[in-house]
Amino acid sequence: DAKTTQPPSMDCAEGRAANLPCNHSTISGNEYVYWYRQIHSQGPQYIIHGLKNNETNEMASLIITEDRKSSTLILPHATLRDTAVYYCIATNTGNQFYFGTGTSLTVIP
Amino acid sequence: ETGVTQTPRHLVMGMTNKKSLKCEQHLGHNAMYWYKQSAKKPLELMFVYNFKEQTENNSVPSRFSPECPNSSHLFLHLHTLQPEDSALYLCASSQAHRENYGYTFGSGTRLTVV
Repeated sequence: DAKTTQPPSMDCAEGRAANLPCNHSTISGNEYVYWYRQIHSQGPQYIIHGLKNNETNEMASLIITEDRKSSTLILPHATLRDTAVYYCIATNTGNQFYFGTGTSLTVIP
Repeated sequence: ETGVTQTPRHLVMGMTNKKSLKCEQHLGHNAMYWYKQSAKKPLELMFVYNFKEQTENNSVPSRFSPECPNSSHLFLHLHTLQPEDSALYLCASSQAHRENYGYTFGSGTRLTVV
C-alpha cells in the first residue's frame, strides 16, 4: 500500500467547508484512495473512495489531483457531528486496509 | 446501527479469565475482520476471514483465538490476557476480501484487562 501523509489536526467553523488534505506521492496506478472517519469510541465509517476521477456522494466530495499524488476530502457544510478522526488510505484491490493516525478534525461552533 | 453488531460493548476481565467477543453481520458480506485499537495508536489488523476461511493472521499472540462458524458470525476467544491487551476491538465486514469494496465496521467492544 502507498504511504499516506495527513496533517495531525485541523479546525473548521461550523457551516463552512472542511477541506482535508492527503498526500500519497507513491501511489501506484491500481491503488484507490479511500476515506474513513472515526467518531470517538466508535468504529470507523466509510465516507468515499475513488481512483482518478473526482467523486461525490451524500456525505462528501473527493478531489484527486491529475497526477494522483494527493487528494482532498471536502465536507461542504461541516456540522458539530463531523468532529472525528479522518483517515486517508491508499490501497489496491488485493490488500486490506491499514489505518494510519489520520487527521483529527474539530468543528467549532 | 451499521449492520455489524458487536457484543458485548464493554468487558472487564481478569488475566486468568476466558471470554469471547461476538460479531454478527446480516449484510450478506463474505469477509470479516478483527482489528485492535489501543489508546492513541492506529488500528491494527488482527485476523481476516474470507468465505469462512482464515486468510490472514498478523502475528497475533495465541491468547487471541478467532472463530468463524459461518459468513455472518465471527468470534474472538480470549484467554490469559495481559493488561496491555486492553483496547477497543473492532469487527468489520466486506462483500469479499481482496475485492474493491469498502469495510463496514461495528461499534466495537471496549476491553479492560485487570
